Amino acid sequence: AQSVTQPDIHITVSEGASLELRCNYSYGATPYLFWYVQSPGQGLQLLLKYFSGDTLVQGIKGFEAEFKRSQSSFNLRKPSVHWSDAAEYFCAVGKTGNQFYFGTGTSLTVIP
Amino acid sequence: DAGITQSPRHKVTETGTPVTLRCHQTENHRYMYWYRQDPGHGLRLIHYSYGVKDTDKGEVSDGYSVSRSKTEDFLLTLESATSSQTSVYFCAISESQGWLDEQYFGPGTRLTVT
Repeated sequence: AQSVTQPDIHITVSEGASLELRCNYSYGATPYLFWYVQSPGQGLQLLLKYFSGDTLVQGIKGFEAEFKRSQSSFNLRKPSVHWSDAAEYFCAVGKTGNQFYFGTGTSLTVIP
Repeated sequence: DAGITQSPRHKVTETGTPVTLRCHQTENHRYMYWYRQDPGHGLRLIHYSYGVKDTDKGEVSDGYSVSRSKTEDFLLTLESATSSQTSVYFCAISESQGWLDEQYFGPGTRLTVT
């Protein structure tokens, strides 16, 4: 069964516009949730993570994500997108027993 | 940036030949991982290591083996490469268990099996 789903394969936004990337997970308990970013030709870099506590987490590069247990979601947001944010974004979930699953990714294009 | 290198960075090989990819870290992290990245699948865990000579299977381990004889090196071997193993392979490291800790990724190895 798919542990993490990113329903949007590709998103295009204008520079300066707000951004929300969706992520849904399937797990009985509260999982450990991550967002990673991959620039073209590069490895992945952690943007932020959620383990417990405050459901709104702040990350690097002005990104934030909100954990919503009732919706099994962990959506990534940024209030104003920059051209340098164009990349592929991966949501990931960690589960007990060293299980770790990535979503299929959302490719972000930023237009001037 | 975390000190992770992968070699080779690009490789083309023929079906049926053995291939070994190397991951080298200078961070002295305990955990190391091999992933493959394919369009429509994201990254999938192949094998991971939780210490020298301690390894375990991931989600897509069939056709792959690994070895870790030193803390800094984690080798991924395709005993007999197949076209379905054409992919981009990423090594990652983490200080503690990767399911609850940040993983640091290498630059990737693009493998083409013809």
